[in-house]
Amino acid sequence: AQSVTQPDIHITVSEGASLELRCNYSYGATPYLFWYVQSPGQGLQLLLKYFSGDTLVQGIKGFEAEFKRSQSSFNLRKPSVHWSDAAEYFCAVGPSAGFQKLVFGTGTRLLVSP
Amino acid sequence: GAVVSQHPSRVICKSGTSVKIECRSLDFQATTMFWYRQFPKQSLMLMATSNEGSKATYEQGVEKDKFLINHASLTLSTLTVTSAHPEDSSFYICSAVGVRTEAFFGQGTRLTVV
Repeated sequence: AQSVTQPDIHITVSEGASLELRCNYSYGATPYLFWYVQSPGQGLQLLLKYFSGDTLVQGIKGFEAEFKRSQSSFNLRKPSVHWSDAAEYFCAVGPSAGFQKLVFGTGTRLLVSP
Repeated sequence: GAVVSQHPSRVICKSGTSVKIECRSLDFQATTMFWYRQFPKQSLMLMATSNEGSKATYEQGVEKDKFLINHASLTLSTLTVTSAHPEDSSFYICSAVGVRTEAFFGQGTRLTVV
């Protein structure tokens, strides 16, 4: 069965420091991978996605993620965190590029300290 | 970007009553809408998939008579929680996908049944 694991429930990062959010997936076929961000009171916003090709994908707001098939991972990174990045981040996997039947991780709450 | 509006954002209802949640795509036609449910500290769980003009497809374990989904137009889907009970208290979120678009999420609805 498909599953997504985000091992960190909370992460606190100082403003200006680098960030890496972990995501591991279990999927029987070629995975389509996504990272979403949810700010309080807002819907989920797509940060980036991986379908095929270059394993390092760039997203919005300065985020990037690297797909590592050997490790079944799709970790999200940002070189310098801003206070506005404080939010909940969700990793998801799906069976196609059509955003159908997404399976989400439990989310990681990012806190940014001054 | 495209916007999906979900209403209400919060609702408190008495046990035994029904609650309707609306999900509207504001600037695109949503050929498919998805309804998710999120329990505290857990991931979003897909409840059902609805295509405009046809019956919704429910995921295993989701009671279709309890969670009524209507997708009567290309811009509106509704989820009605019938005869709500305290165990139905949760966070419900919809997403909408159009032709060649990504999935756009609503802001979510916090349902509390007392």
